Amino acid sequence: TQLLEQSPQFLSIQEGENLTVYCNSSSVFSSLQWYRQEPGEGPVLLVTVVTGGEVKKLKRLTFQFGDARKDSSLHITAAQPGDTGLYLCAGHAGGTSYGKLTFGQGTILTVHP
Amino acid sequence: NAGVTQTPKFQVLKTGQSMTLQCAQDMNHEYMSWYRQDPGMGLRLIHYSVGAGITDQGEVPNGYNVSRSTTEDFPLRLLSAAPSQTSVYFCASSPDRGEQPQHFGDGTRLSIL
Repeated sequence: TQLLEQSPQFLSIQEGENLTVYCNSSSVFSSLQWYRQEPGEGPVLLVTVVTGGEVKKLKRLTFQFGDARKDSSLHITAAQPGDTGLYLCAGHAGGTSYGKLTFGQGTILTVHP
Repeated sequence: NAGVTQTPKFQVLKTGQSMTLQCAQDMNHEYMSWYRQDPGMGLRLIHYSVGAGITDQGEVPNGYNVSRSTTEDFPLRLLSAAPSQTSVYFCASSPDRGEQPQHFGDGTRLSIL
């Protein structure tokens, strides 16, 4: 079973601060996705990274896929209260595990005004 | 477009009872899956289907059955509910089992007494 370790589990910061969430594994993933989930709703996809070393930017959010495709990070610049939510990384494995999505434990982000 | 629709939104069962969680999607997606979400554990894959008539087990399949008679519907059955199955259940669909985004429903919150 492939595992994704996400850290930190909780993050409480003030508006305007920067933050980074990490997603690490000992296994290689063919692609990695980041989702954001709000209370009472299902996760919503933010980005998919598929190439080792890939960097994608979505406004104030920067996503990076490690060169070896075993880790990823999400960096938020100048966080806003609207960024509050649960952030989840999820990896697609190839080979015989093709089609199975493995999720990290999630990071609960709270941004205080 | 309704997307992925899950019913019911909330359910309370007694130990030993059976029930079916419904999931329907109107996007003509081939790939559908069921996850459970527990605090501190992210989402864990229960069962998935790559098309009508085809289902397979995920990470935590014990105590659950699925069937996929149509492209649109993917019900999850609890055969004999146990307190350990208290969780929030999410259904998801995607165009295929690759790196396409998963579209999630809003979840069913299930409590087993």
